[in-house]
Formats: sequence, C-alpha cells, structure tokens
Amino acid sequence: SQKIEQNSEALNIQEGKTATLTCNYTNYSPAYLQWYRQDPGRGPVFLLLIRENEKEKRKERLKVTFDTTLKQSLFHITASQPADSATYLCALEGGGNKLTFGTGTQLKVEL
Amino acid sequence: NAGVTQTPKFRILKIGQSMTLQCTQDMNHNYMYWYRQDPGMGLKLIYYSVGAGITDKGEVPNGYNVSRSTTEDFPLRLELAAPSQTSVYFCASRPTGNNEQFFGPGTRLTVL
Repeated sequence: SQKIEQNSEALNIQEGKTATLTCNYTNYSPAYLQWYRQDPGRGPVFLLLIRENEKEKRKERLKVTFDTTLKQSLFHITASQPADSATYLCALEGGGNKLTFGTGTQLKVEL
Repeated sequence: NAGVTQTPKFRILKIGQSMTLQCTQDMNHNYMYWYRQDPGMGLKLIYYSVGAGITDKGEVPNGYNVSRSTTEDFPLRLELAAPSQTSVYFCASRPTGNNEQFFGPGTRLTVL
C-alpha cells in the first residue's frame, strides 16, 4: 500500500544551525511533492513544490531535494530561527488532483 | 481577499446529531477539498471538487456528504455524528494550473 513517512519525533536544533527534515515514500510515483508549514491551531501553509524531474528547489532559506530513485525528499532550513518552529508536512500528488499528506515533523529551534 | 473561510471555529455535537461545516473561498478557485486531521496524524482527504456541480470521494468519505452548487462554497455535511468524527476539519482550495493549496483556519469538532 502507499505510504508516506516523516520523522514522528520532534527535531530540536539550535538557532543558526541547518534543520533537515526527511520525507520517505513507498508505492508512489508522484508527479510532484510539496512541503507545508503548520502552526498550532492553524491550517497548513504552502512553502515549496518540487517536480519529479527536478533535483533541487530553493526559496530564500529553504531548500528541497527530491530523489525519485531513493523515494525521498529532504527539506532544509538554513540559519534557522525560533520563528521557524512549527510542524512541517510533506505531501505527494500521484494523479487525480489529490494530495496525500505525511504525518509531519515538529521542528523546535532553540536560542 | 479573505481567502478560505470556515465556520464555525468550534462545535460540540451529541452522538446522532447532524451539522454542516461551511467553507467559502473568494479567490475563484475551481478545486476545493475537505480534510480531517486527528491528533498527531496527517491530513486525510474526505471529499473534493474540481468545479461547481462536480464532487468526488477521497480517502475517508464515510459518514460525510458534500455539495458544490457554486464556485465559492463547498459545505461538508455530517449526518448522525459519531465519536469517531471528533477531529479538526480543514477546507482548502486551489486554482486550475497551480498545485499550491490554500487552507482555511479549520473547524474543531467534538462529538460526545
């Protein structure tokens, strides 16, 4: 069956370091992959989209990689700040105008 | 633009009651979605619509119904509420040709 896995344990890092979050998937051939940020009590907010034929995408301090051979995406936040603390969700679209979401990884950036 | 709005923000229902969760978007998006999110879990797709008059089931449609009579509105109907429907419900929309989804603030529903 199709499965998306993100680290369920919270990731704690120090301010200024690079945070790296992982999204692994099985039994998917996604056309593209998205990353969303979700703050407590709020709806998810779109961050980045990367297509199956792209290896890397950047936006300001954010970088996403997509390895369709490993079936993995990595999400990096460089020079992390306490304001980056949130839950980050990856989502895959395999066709049919629908997204399937992972369970998310909580990131805590400490001073 | 207000974006995607949802009402109510919170609701407590008794088992067997019915209610409608409202979702409206003012961005003229064709695609609209309903998700539920249980604690510590990802979002599960309940129903979606690719345009007015067209709806389709997602991953967890049982116990829910939707309609899409206008581009702006996509209400979610719960009939005979059950404790298993206790969750946070999110509505989202996106325009044709853009894969980014815009989410509403959510409705927190408790069924007792």
